[in-house]
Amino acid sequence: GDSVTQMEGPVTLSEEAFLTINCTYTATGYPSLFWYVQYPGEGLQLLLKATKADDKGSNKGFEATYRKETTSFHLEKGSVQVSDSAVYFCALTDRGGNTGKLIFGQGTTLQVKP
Amino acid sequence: ETGVTQTPRHLVMGMTNKKSLKCEQHLGHNAMYWYKQSAKKPLELMFVYSLEERVENNSVPSRFSPECPNSSHLFLHLHTLQPEDSALYLCASSQRDSGTDTQYFGPGTRLTVL
Repeated sequence: GDSVTQMEGPVTLSEEAFLTINCTYTATGYPSLFWYVQYPGEGLQLLLKATKADDKGSNKGFEATYRKETTSFHLEKGSVQVSDSAVYFCALTDRGGNTGKLIFGQGTTLQVKP
Repeated sequence: ETGVTQTPRHLVMGMTNKKSLKCEQHLGHNAMYWYKQSAKKPLELMFVYSLEERVENNSVPSRFSPECPNSSHLFLHLHTLQPEDSALYLCASSQRDSGTDTQYFGPGTRLTVL
């Protein structure tokens, strides 16, 4: 079945460092890809999305490009802030599926130190 | 109020209690979802309602009973739960057939079963 694999965490960075969180997927259909962020004590917030190959999603300085040839959707940010500390989830949904359910990776915890 | 709301935000219950979780979406969407987020486990889809009809029941024990009276409201009725059911329960909604099926999440209900 479809699946998402994220890099193990936690990832610990100093403020203003460059961030990459790797995400790869397997899917039989044509998935849409998402990054969600969860701040402590809160639910999931949509961070960015891409719906087809070579699309780039971006928001709040974060970017991710849908790479069909490498089945990847890595999250990047050029300069992280302490306020970016959270858990980041990569996810996919098969638009051709019956329910539109999301399949999540295990999440990657990011800690940014001042 | 906007987005997806959930009540209560926190719930503590004994194993013999009956309680209900409520979710309301103000986005005009036609699909709603329940997810379970346990410590150190990936997010698990529990139920999907599309156009008020349950389209997926992801092998969830019968002590969890969903109800979707209309496209804006979703309930999760809880009965004789076990301590291992303690988790964050997240509700989401989306517009099926929109091209991306982007799901928007509520803040979650933190459930503790004693």
